[in-house]
Amino acid sequence: KNQVEQSPQSLIILEGKNCTLQCNYTVSPFSNLRWYKQDTGRGPVSLTIMTFSENTKSNGRYTATLDADTKQSSLHITASQLSDSASYICVVSDRGSTLGRLYFGRGTQLTVWP
Amino acid sequence: EADIYQTPRYLVIGTGKKITLECSQTMGHDKMYWYQQDPGMELHLIHYSYGVNSTEKGDLSSESTVSRIRTEHFPLTLESARPSHTSQYLCASSGIRGPTNEKLFFGSGTQLSVL
Repeated sequence: KNQVEQSPQSLIILEGKNCTLQCNYTVSPFSNLRWYKQDTGRGPVSLTIMTFSENTKSNGRYTATLDADTKQSSLHITASQLSDSASYICVVSDRGSTLGRLYFGRGTQLTVWP
Repeated sequence: EADIYQTPRYLVIGTGKKITLECSQTMGHDKMYWYQQDPGMELHLIHYSYGVNSTEKGDLSSESTVSRIRTEHFPLTLESARPSHTSQYLCASSGIRGPTNEKLFFGSGTQLSVL
């Protein structure tokens, strides 16, 4: 069964600290992996998209890594800010069609305290 | 950054009412989607469209219907709302950038509460 599992479910850190969010997937065949940031009451916003051949991609203070062999990804946030408080969603696409089907994780709820 | 708009942002209605959730995008995207999301849960695809006059049901069974008469407009209709329809509804679109590199743009969502 194709699944996307994220950990931890929730995380609280102090402003300025770093953190790493995890994503494990069983989706096959694999096309790409995306990380989205979703603020409370808003739609998700894309942070990164990585294909099979990419093992790291950065977007400002966000760095995503991908290990396609172990089917694991992580999102590292550096020097956290209060505005980083949000749900971070891992999404994996298969190669079943021209679009590819998307499999969504339940997200990690990050809270940054001052 | 994303030119995709949903209205209303919040809607509280009584059981049995007919409602339409609006979604419009100005990016000229062919592909549009409706997702349903409950708190702390993953997004579930309920409808999608690959172009004008093309609509398909998604993975999650839904009593809603959609239409795609214009490229930029993808409304979702519930003929008779029930409390079980209470949820957040997210509209999204994507352009043609290749099968492995398509970026989804989401609207801000409609939070629907059926009493």
